Amino acid sequence: AQKVTQAQTEISVVEKEDVTLDCVYETRDTTYYLFWYKQPPSGELVFLIRRNSFDEQNEISGRYSWNFQKSTSSFNFTITASQVVDSAVYFCALREFNKFYFGSGTKLNVKP
Amino acid sequence: DTEVTQTPKHLVMGMTNKKSLKCEQHMGHRAMYWYKQKAKKPPELMFVYSYEKLSINESVPSRFSPECPNSSLLNLHLHALQPEDSALYLCASSQGEGTPYEQYFGPGTRLTVT
Repeated sequence: AQKVTQAQTEISVVEKEDVTLDCVYETRDTTYYLFWYKQPPSGELVFLIRRNSFDEQNEISGRYSWNFQKSTSSFNFTITASQVVDSAVYFCALREFNKFYFGSGTKLNVKP
Repeated sequence: DTEVTQTPKHLVMGMTNKKSLKCEQHMGHRAMYWYKQKAKKPPELMFVYSYEKLSINESVPSRFSPECPNSSLLNLHLHALQPEDSALYLCASSQGEGTPYEQYFGPGTRLTVT
């Protein structure tokens, strides 16, 4: 069974639109960690955020915000007022002890 | 400084060649990782080193041979590769293998096997 599901394969928006990337995870551990990474066309995976299973507070960082809901096992990522530079593949990941499980990724295309 | 460096950026090799990929980090991290990423797929874990010892080998073929000479360096030796091994190879590091901390990734080496 897939531990991290990103059902949206590809999303296209026009600049300045808001966009939400969905992430649903599956784990039996009570302690776990969730992450979002951005992978621009250059290839490097860029760390965006870490959230532990005990902290359900939502977080905002500039135009980025994250909504963690344990009740629905979801960790969604919203970009407000998207920009062309946000175009990339975004991966959600789950960490259980020493292993990372990546979702399949969502490709975001932001058009001018 | 959260930088992981990888060399070379691009590598083209024949199936009979021997080459090595290099990775370096100076963040004092004690866990280092090799991932393989095919186009339009997520990274797949290959190896994990913890405190310079191989901790995880995800059943990777022996034509890939990892080495961790010290806590800052990680190599991946390649020999007799197949065209299907062509991919982006990513190195990553984190504070520790069993810690909650994020992994920091290098820019990757794009490998083409001809």
